[in-house]
Amino acid sequence: GNSVTQMEGPVTLSEEAFLTINCTYTATGYPSLFWYVQYPGEGLQLLLKATKADDKGSNKGFEATYRKETTSFHLEKGSVQVSDSAVYFCAHAGNMLTFGGGTRLMVKP
Amino acid sequence: KAGVTQTPRYLIKTRGQQVTLSCSPISGHRSVSWYQQTPGQGLQFLFEYFSETQRNKGNFPGRFSGRQFSNSRSEMNVSTLELGDSALYLCASSLDLTDTQYFGPGTRLTVL
Repeated sequence: GNSVTQMEGPVTLSEEAFLTINCTYTATGYPSLFWYVQYPGEGLQLLLKATKADDKGSNKGFEATYRKETTSFHLEKGSVQVSDSAVYFCAHAGNMLTFGGGTRLMVKP
Repeated sequence: KAGVTQTPRYLIKTRGQQVTLSCSPISGHRSVSWYQQTPGQGLQFLFEYFSETQRNKGNFPGRFSGRQFSNSRSEMNVSTLELGDSALYLCASSLDLTDTQYFGPGTRLTVL
């Protein structure tokens, strides 16, 4: 069936470090892929998306490329800030959004 | 444009009671989906409504039900509450199911 697998956290980085959060998926066809972010006590906010193979989604310095060959959608940011501390969810769309387990990112000053 | 709103934001109930949660989608959005978020199970899909019809349903017992009104507002109901129903319940709206879903802030339900 459809599934999304993310690297487990927490991921702890120093400010200005490079971030990668891995995400792989299994699905029928080529669903749209998403990264959502959840700050403490809040709902999910859409961070970026890609709707077809080789698309690159980007927002607020974050990027992810839809790789159909490796069924991956890894999230990257060149220089993280303390304000990026949150839980990040990878998801793909079908009849429903299927989410990965979430990766908690903690950025220290 | 106003975002997705959910009421109430927090709720405390006891076992055996029932609860109704409300979701108002973004104006113009006709698809409303509900998700349950718990530390143990993560984010799980409950059901999706479009034009007052349930189109998809997740793997939850019949105690979980929902409906959608003609103005696209949606409610979900949980009857005979169990301790394990304690969770953050998230509502998301979209133009249609395959479009980007936008989430509300959630309703935090605690069952004692």
